Amino acid sequence: DAGVTQSPTHLIKTRGQHVTLRCSPISGHKSVSWYQQVLGQGPQFIFQYYEKEERGRGNFPDRFSARQFPNYSSELNVNALLLGDSALYLCASSLDWSAYNEQFFGPGTRLTVL
Amino acid sequence: DQQVKQNSPSLSVQEGRISILNCDYTNSMFDYFLWYKKYPAEGPTFLISISSIKDKNEDGRFTVFLNKSAKHLSLHIVPSQPGDSAVYFCAASAYSGAGSYQLTFGKGTKLSVIP
Repeated sequence: DAGVTQSPTHLIKTRGQHVTLRCSPISGHKSVSWYQQVLGQGPQFIFQYYEKEERGRGNFPDRFSARQFPNYSSELNVNALLLGDSALYLCASSLDWSAYNEQFFGPGTRLTVL
Repeated sequence: DQQVKQNSPSLSVQEGRISILNCDYTNSMFDYFLWYKKYPAEGPTFLISISSIKDKNEDGRFTVFLNKSAKHLSLHIVPSQPGDSAVYFCAASAYSGAGSYQLTFGKGTKLSVIP
């Protein structure tokens, strides 16, 4: 079975640009969460989506937004990129919103903002 | 303010010996704790977890201990193997309302098991 997949693997953008990151959950998983991992830090929660609805949001500015599609895949959008947005963005899927103990992570998208 | 702290950035252990990774937390609302292992260029992989109603959970070579009064948990790996070399993240979960649980991660401890 395929695990969580994310695209692209790497991305380079300049300040002020917009970026869209994509995530496909494990088949049958209906919940997707996004995390930001800055170098030297642990992953930090950004969003959780379940059945196309936002269920949770971390302490991130409104420049960050996300959505979940009917096939449960998800997009993370970041507007007006800042240098500090450079990080590894991780997507995790689980069967449902309460399965916090069974989140499966993808390999991440490495975003570099110049 | 870090709610989950892993105060040791790195740890080196000889193969066959015990590895002990420590984690402290400050939020008393955390009710579930997890350890993840992360290799370079891969996402974190779930290792072992423990509910706040327990004080110990074992899975093969891995044991997690929870001391609620001290707000401290530890991961023991016995015996340590070179393949255990990775970054280990401690994470804690709390219900955040509106049907959502949030995981809060520590900064990680890089374990190196020396053959």
